[in-house]
Amino acid sequence: QVQLVESGGGVVQPGRSLTVSCAASGFTFSTYAMQWVRQAPGKGLEWVASISYDGRNEYYADSVKGRFTISRDTSKNTLYLQMNSLRAGDTAVYYCARDARGYGDYHYFDYWGQGTLVTVSS
Amino acid sequence: DIVLTQSPATLSLSPGERATLSCRASQSVTNYLVWYQQKPGQAPRLLIYDASNRATGIPARFSGSGSGSDFTLTISSLEPEDFAVYYCQQRSSWPLTFGGGTKVEIK
Repeated sequence: QVQLVESGGGVVQPGRSLTVSCAASGFTFSTYAMQWVRQAPGKGLEWVASISYDGRNEYYADSVKGRFTISRDTSKNTLYLQMNSLRAGDTAVYYCARDARGYGDYHYFDYWGQGTLVTVSS
Repeated sequence: DIVLTQSPATLSLSPGERATLSCRASQSVTNYLVWYQQKPGQAPRLLIYDASNRATGIPARFSGSGSGSDFTLTISSLEPEDFAVYYCQQRSSWPLTFGGGTKVEIK
C-alpha cells in the first residue's frame, strides 16, 4: 500500500535552516510528481512546492521562493524540502503528497503523509 | 494568483441533511477544481477531481459540479463521519491555491 512518512520537523530559531524528508513506499516513486503542502496551526492548507516525476521541474509558492528547495532521491525513494532563512510565518505542519497520476504533472493529490511539525521560534 | 473563496465558512447541519458547499474562483479554472476533506489531526483526503469526478473509494453521496469559476460540492445525506472541514483547490495554473475551507459541523 502507498505510504508517505515525513520526518525531520522540530523547533528551529528564526533565520536558521532545516530539512524535512518524506519516505515513500508502495508505489514506483520515480513515476510520480510530488509536492509539499503546509498548514499553520488552526489555519487552512497552503501549497509550498512541487517537483516533477523526473526531477527536471520545480515550482514554488512566492512565499518560499528563494528560501526553500524541493528535491528528490529516486535511489532512496525520498522527497526533501530544504528550508533556509526560516521565519515565524513558516511555522506549520508540512505534508508531502503524491500526484494522483503518474508520468505527468497533474497537480492534485491522492496520498498524503501524516505531516511533520516545524516550529520557528527563538 | 487565483483566489478561491469558499462559502459558507461554517455549515451547521444534522445527520441525514443535505450539505451544499460553494467554491468561487477569482478567474476561470475551466474544470480543474479539486475537493478534499480533512478531519482533525488527519491529513486531507481527496474527494473530487476535475470538478465532478469522484476519487477512488469515495461514496456516491459526495458529488461535485460546476465549471469556469463557480463550483459546488454536495453531500446528499450527511453521515456522522462527514462532519469535517472541506477545501477546494485549483490546478489550472501556478501557483496552486486552496480555498479557506468550509467546516461542516453537527447542529
